[in-house]
Amino acid sequence: QSALTQPASVSGSPGQSITISCTGTSSDFGGYNYVSWYQQHPGKAPKLMIYDVSARPSGVSNRFSGSKSGNTASLTISGLQAEDEADYYCSSYTSSSRYVFGTGTKVTVL
Amino acid sequence: QVQLQQWGAGLLKPSETLSLTCAVYGGSFSGYYWNWIRQPPGKGLEWIGEINHSGRTNYNPSLKSRVTISVDTSKNQFSLKMTSVTAADTAVYYCATDYHGYYHGMDVWGQGTTVTVSS
Repeated sequence: QSALTQPASVSGSPGQSITISCTGTSSDFGGYNYVSWYQQHPGKAPKLMIYDVSARPSGVSNRFSGSKSGNTASLTISGLQAEDEADYYCSSYTSSSRYVFGTGTKVTVL
Repeated sequence: QVQLQQWGAGLLKPSETLSLTCAVYGGSFSGYYWNWIRQPPGKGLEWIGEINHSGRTNYNPSLKSRVTISVDTSKNQFSLKMTSVTAADTAVYYCATDYHGYYHGMDVWGQGTTVTVSS
């Protein structure tokens, strides 16, 4: 059960869009769309930002969007804001492995 | 709204047993899977395991030999025990669940408990 692969860091200027990738194998995703994304600020618990590849929980800004193609899921943050500076983790759920998290990406707002 | 409150010993010696409990407040305990996740200092998240109200469990294969998750439905609580801890088990431990049907996206989290293993 290896971690999904994410870039260590991504940066962008306020107002720009950035995309974080999350790559695994076919067994990591298992043909399901149970891909989630979490935002984590220092010293805080993770916060669910995207579930089911592209759906947003109630209260999450529509600046956050998700997609998936093959064995790579992506999180896009549009209109980057200072408050978006945080660590982001993807997660995949399958009936066999249950949960696998990504390696994490540090987003820096320049 | 549902909240998770967790507690447990924060400082352990190598070879001791880690024990944490998570209580569910303001919501139903039945019909959900309750998870434990950990995060070593400066590192990423690692899923430890889950349990439902009936006691059905699933564990991360890499930790399965040392981990037991149990449930106390009379108190709406679930617990984590990890035996033979080492420095590598030093981490912030979270309890969490997909409470609002977000297709296994965990939307409710405990506050986290820092566990340090040191001689």
